[in-house]
Amino acid sequence: EDKVVQSPLSLVVHEGDTVTLNCSYEVTNFRSLLWYKQEKKAPTFLFMLTSSGIEKKSGRLSSILDKKELFSILNITATQTGDSAVYLCAVGYRLNTGFQKLVFGTGTRLLVSP
Amino acid sequence: DAGVIQSPRHEVTEMGQEVTLRCKPISGHNSLFWYRQTMMRGLELLIYFNNNVPIDDSGMPEDRFSAKMPNASFSTLKIQPSEPRDSAVYFCASSFSPDIPNEQFFGPGTRLTVL
Repeated sequence: EDKVVQSPLSLVVHEGDTVTLNCSYEVTNFRSLLWYKQEKKAPTFLFMLTSSGIEKKSGRLSSILDKKELFSILNITATQTGDSAVYLCAVGYRLNTGFQKLVFGTGTRLLVSP
Repeated sequence: DAGVIQSPRHEVTEMGQEVTLRCKPISGHNSLFWYRQTMMRGLELLIYFNNNVPIDDSGMPEDRFSAKMPNASFSTLKIQPSEPRDSAVYFCASSFSPDIPNEQFFGPGTRLTVL
C-alpha cells in the first residue's frame, strides 16, 4: 500500500532555532514529492522535488530529496513565530490514466515559541 | 482571481441528514479534486474530475458519498445519509492539468460536523 510517513508528529522550538522535518515514503511509480504549509486553512504549496540531491530553497526554508533512500527533509532556519503551522508532505505517483495522484502524510505540527 | 470557492464554510448537521458541499474551481482550470482531512488519516483524495468527467473515484469511502460536476464551473459532493465519522474538513482543489501537482490550488475548505 502506498504510504507517506512524517516525523516528528509535533515539535516545539524557540524562535531562532533551526528545525528539520522528515518525510519517508513507499509508493510505486514515483513522480514527485511536495511540501505544503497549512495554517488553520487550506494547504499552501512550498516546494516540489523530482530529482535526488538537488536542494530547493526559498528564504529560510529549504528541502532536498533522496530517491534512493526514499525520504525528504524540510529545513527551516532562524525560525519565527509565523512559521508555526502544520507541514504536510505529499508524494505524487502516476496512474495509468495519466493523472499524478497525491498521497499525503498526516503532517508535522510545528510550534515556534517567542 | 477569486481562487477556488467553497460553500458552506461550516456545516453542522445531525446523523442521517443529507449534506451537500459545493465548489467553484478557478476559471480555466479543467481538473477538480475533492479531498477530506481528518486528524487520524490526514488529507485524502476522494475523487478527481477532468473536463467534468470523473476519472478516479477510488477514494470515495462508500455509497453514501457521491460527487458531480455538471459543468466546468461547479461541483458538488453529497453525503446521504451522513454519519458522525464523516466529520472532517473537505477541501476542493483545481488545476490546469492533472499531471502538474504543484499547480493544484486549494479552496478554503468546508468544516463538517455530524452530530
